[in-house]
Parts: sequence; structure tokens; C-alpha cells
Amino acid sequence: AQSVAQPEDQVNVAEGNPLTVKCTYSVSGNPYLFWYVQYPNRGLQFLLKYITGDNLVKGSYGFEAEFNKSQTSFHLKKPSALVSDSALYFCAVRDFGGANNLFFGTGTRLTVIP
Amino acid sequence: DAGVIQSPRHEVTEMGQEVTLRCKPISGHDYLFWYRQTMMRGLELLIYFNNNVPIDDSGMPEDRFSAKMPNASFSTLKIQPSEPRDSAVYFCASSISPLAGVSNEQFFGPGTRLTVL
Repeated sequence: AQSVAQPEDQVNVAEGNPLTVKCTYSVSGNPYLFWYVQYPNRGLQFLLKYITGDNLVKGSYGFEAEFNKSQTSFHLKKPSALVSDSALYFCAVRDFGGANNLFFGTGTRLTVIP
Repeated sequence: DAGVIQSPRHEVTEMGQEVTLRCKPISGHDYLFWYRQTMMRGLELLIYFNNNVPIDDSGMPEDRFSAKMPNASFSTLKIQPSEPRDSAVYFCASSISPLAGVSNEQFFGPGTRLTVL
């Protein structure tokens, strides 16, 4: 079975500080991992993905994520948070050998405080 | 490209009425997904299609829900009869086939906010 856990419903960070949004996953094979962001009254927007290769993946808007196989984690990070980063963030996973659908986490609401 | 298009953006209806949500995927995408988002249950996959064929509808809540994809550029999600607990935001997403095992990301539409009174 495939699943994703986002242990924090809410993350608050001061503007200019580094941010981390946590994600752990469970798949039977090799994972494909994704991060999406959702702004109010909008659909989900793709941020970045890990398929293979370098464990550090860089994506849109200065975000990056680090794949850690031993810890089955794929945490989203940004060195310096902006107020405009405030949104709902979703982690998703797909099994390499599985169907082409994604399993989404429950989402983490990030609030960047000015 | 206009992206994934959904209509209507907002729908308010009364319990018992039929509701039809519409989606136009990105041209060239051969996968289409329907999701439902609520505060209580988060984001749920309802059904997805590949080349207009339903692949997995195990997420469809009950027989009141049905989805069709008559051609590569159009899909509908129908609720008949609607109930207040169906109130949610419904998203459509599309993607292209994975190539050589590489997964391609899904592109989401803006969603339809459904309110059933």
C-alpha cells in the first residue's frame, strides 16, 4: 500500500527564516515523490518532483526538497521564507511499479509571519 | 495553453437535484483525474481515466456519483441526487503518460465549489 504522512497540520515561520515542511512516505517499491502548493481558492500547483538521481531536488519559487531513502522522507525546504509563501502544501507519492495515480498527504498549512 | 478548464466555478443547488461538473483537460494529456476536497477528508481521488477509459473508480463514494469521458477533451462528473454532504470543492487534473517509467506531474484545474443546500 502507498501512503504519505504530513505530521504537521500547521507550520508558522517568520519572514526571512528558513522553512521546512515535513513529509514521510510508504511504498512497496521505489517512490516517485511530489510537492504541490495550493493558494486560496485555487487548484493545486506543481512545485517539484523526485524521480531518480540527485537526492536534492530544486523546484519553483526557490523551493527544494531532499529525498532520504533511509528515513523514507521528502521534506520541503526554502532558505528564506516570504509572506507570499503562505499556502497549503501537499506531498504526494506514486509507486514506481504502480498505476499512474498519486496518493496525497493531508496537507500542511504554512503561515509566514511578517 | 489555457490549462485544465473546469465549469462551473461555483454551483449552488438544492438537495435532490442533479449536478453536472465539467472538465476539459490539457490538450495531449491522456490521463484525467477527478478529486474532491473537504476540510474533514482532505483531498480524495474519486476516479481516473486513461485514454478515455475509466481505470479506477474505487474512490467514487456511492452510486449517486458517475463520471464519463466521451472524448479526449471532455469529462463530466455527475451527482444524482445531490445531498448536503456532497458539498466540497471538486478538482479535475490531467497528465501525460509516464515515459520509460518516469512519472509526469498532474496539472490541476481551478476547481468547482459545490454547495448543496
